[in-house]
Amino acid sequence: LAKTTQPISMDSYEGQEVNITCSHNNIATNDYITWYQQFPSQGPRFIIQGYKTKVTNEVASLFIPADRKSSTLSLPRVSLSDTAVYYCLVGDAGTASKLTFGTGTRLQVTL
Amino acid sequence: GAGVSQSPRYKVAKRGQDVALRCDPISGHVSLFWYQQALGQGPEFLTYFQNEAQLDKSGLPSDRFFAERPEGSVSTLKIQRTQQEDSAVYLCASSFREGNQPQHFGDGTRLSIL
Repeated sequence: LAKTTQPISMDSYEGQEVNITCSHNNIATNDYITWYQQFPSQGPRFIIQGYKTKVTNEVASLFIPADRKSSTLSLPRVSLSDTAVYYCLVGDAGTASKLTFGTGTRLQVTL
Repeated sequence: GAGVSQSPRYKVAKRGQDVALRCDPISGHVSLFWYQQALGQGPEFLTYFQNEAQLDKSGLPSDRFFAERPEGSVSTLKIQRTQQEDSAVYLCASSFREGNQPQHFGDGTRLSIL
């Protein structure tokens, strides 16, 4: 299993762009990179998934360099409601693998 | 609703009692996962079902933990002779097909063992 490393916490002001970087040096060829968001007393919620280069959806962008040893989740113009824990996961999307969440990055957004 | 439903949301039990936690996945979802989340930590994998078959139970911490999904839909996680260290949030997730597809999580059952 590819291990991931993320900052424990980040702070941001409302309206700013937030970039959370995840390191996964031993990512395997078949592995995808997935990010989840978790609010207190709720289950994690899927944000975005990608394999290489850049993926964008309505809530975030995911940047993956060519060597795939890291990835960056970009949240544009965060609001107070984006305060949550963000998890980076690496695993094979084609087989049933054990998702390893780690401790995640606790993002605090303030006015 | 259309999401993953877990019940009860909160469960308090005395040490030594047996508990059963229920998960109703999204209709039609083939894969079902159970996770355990301790306070301040990320979820940890417990077990995985593909339809009614339990394909991976390597994350179950002891033989006191048992999970089933007899008809390939609803799943139950049972913990026998509960211990204080079993106190945690138990999360259920489902995905449309097999594999590490984006998983849809319920809001969990918070289990407290006194």
